[in-house]
Amino acid sequence: GENVEQHPSTLSVQEGDSAVIKCTYSDSASNYFPWYKQELGKRPQLIIDIRSNVGEKKDQRIAVTLNKTAKHFSLHITETQPEDSAVYFCAASRSGGYNKLIFGAGTRLAVHP
Amino acid sequence: GAVVSQHPSWVICKSGTSVKIECRSLDFQATTMFWYRQFPKQSLMLMATSNEGSKATYEQGVEKDKFLINHASLTLSTLTVTSAHPEDSSFYICSARRQGLNEQFFGPGTRLTVL
Repeated sequence: GENVEQHPSTLSVQEGDSAVIKCTYSDSASNYFPWYKQELGKRPQLIIDIRSNVGEKKDQRIAVTLNKTAKHFSLHITETQPEDSAVYFCAASRSGGYNKLIFGAGTRLAVHP
Repeated sequence: GAVVSQHPSWVICKSGTSVKIECRSLDFQATTMFWYRQFPKQSLMLMATSNEGSKATYEQGVEKDKFLINHASLTLSTLTVTSAHPEDSSFYICSARRQGLNEQFFGPGTRLTVL
């Protein structure tokens, strides 16, 4: 079945450093790739997404890259701040119909002051 | 826009009772709603997908007679956990999606504790 693998499971960085989280998906028909940030006990919040017709998308300190050939996509956070500390989930889905999101296992990011 | 609410935010119940959780899209019509379960320090696990006016599609391993889903209108879906047991204790989160769009908007979640 469809699967999304996410690495690393935990990531610890110093404030101001960059953080990179990587995901690999198995369904070659996937064409929508969102990233969610979830703080403890709260709902997942969409922080950025990318569709298969583009290779990169940037929003201030956050960027996502997509390599459809390799079925890889990555989240890049620059100039990290303590408030970036949270669990980040990647996901993949197809378009149309009952398209469901397949989530990665999550990455717990800790940004130390 | 795109606000999704859930009620209740938390519930504690005795083993054997049933619990109903509501998911509402407040400012848009949600043709599809999704129900997830999340155990501590784990990812979101999709339980079922429901479209307004039709039966829900359950993921493998999810008992449809135990987790009853109703999507009676374009703004409301309900999940009923029947005959709850302690192992059903979890964080239940719904999401909603507009027709033709990919993005899912998540509710705040419901923490269920079964004693």
